[in-house]
Amino acid sequence: DTEVTQTPKHLVMGMTNKKSLKCEQHMGHRAMYWYKQKAKKPPELMFVYSYEKLSINESVPSRFSPECPNSSLLNLHLHALQPEDSALYLCASSQGSGQGETQYFGPGTRLLVL
Amino acid sequence: GQSLEQPSEVTAVEGAIVQINCTYQTSGFYGLSWYQQHDGGAPTFLSYNALDGLEETGRFSSFLSRSDSYGYLLLQELQMKDSASYFCAVRDVSGGYNKLIFGAGTRLAVHP
Repeated sequence: DTEVTQTPKHLVMGMTNKKSLKCEQHMGHRAMYWYKQKAKKPPELMFVYSYEKLSINESVPSRFSPECPNSSLLNLHLHALQPEDSALYLCASSQGSGQGETQYFGPGTRLLVL
Repeated sequence: GQSLEQPSEVTAVEGAIVQINCTYQTSGFYGLSWYQQHDGGAPTFLSYNALDGLEETGRFSSFLSRSDSYGYLLLQELQMKDSASYFCAVRDVSGGYNKLIFGAGTRLAVHP
């Protein structure tokens, strides 16, 4: 099983809403990532979890709140988002967080903030 | 910091061969990866080069020259389904954690 799954596939929310994105992998990977991707741009790293601990926060606004309940699950809690936060949110995982680790991406959640 | 340069667009015909170049500047080098992304889809891992030379996987090959800070992705026997964006990426392991830094992407259009 080399699959990373994400739910929902699409999400529309208002600026006052609270929603969560979910990511799951069953490859035994110990590092998980959140990326944000705008149209025609490369993915941009937001957060890295290594062994269920937040390792990297790329100066992401506090309206994005990550959570790693266990080694297979990664959530991204959204609150008071802005229209410019509309993007494709990608989750990825890798075996570890070391140098040679390949990252595998989920299909993404396409988010629209109204 | 890290920076990568790759062409923004490449056009080719079915059956042809196309090469997508990537040059990089890094403070520490830990390998060059290539990802494919179709419109509306997720990035899919294609290849990884840590050492100089050519790695071949079916119709796709990837090359790395560390002395030139240069790599390329070679796609042979192009098919319509190869139309996608292709990203080169390097790993930034500053701080001990695996961060993937992507180039801006090359949009490949394959025509009949």
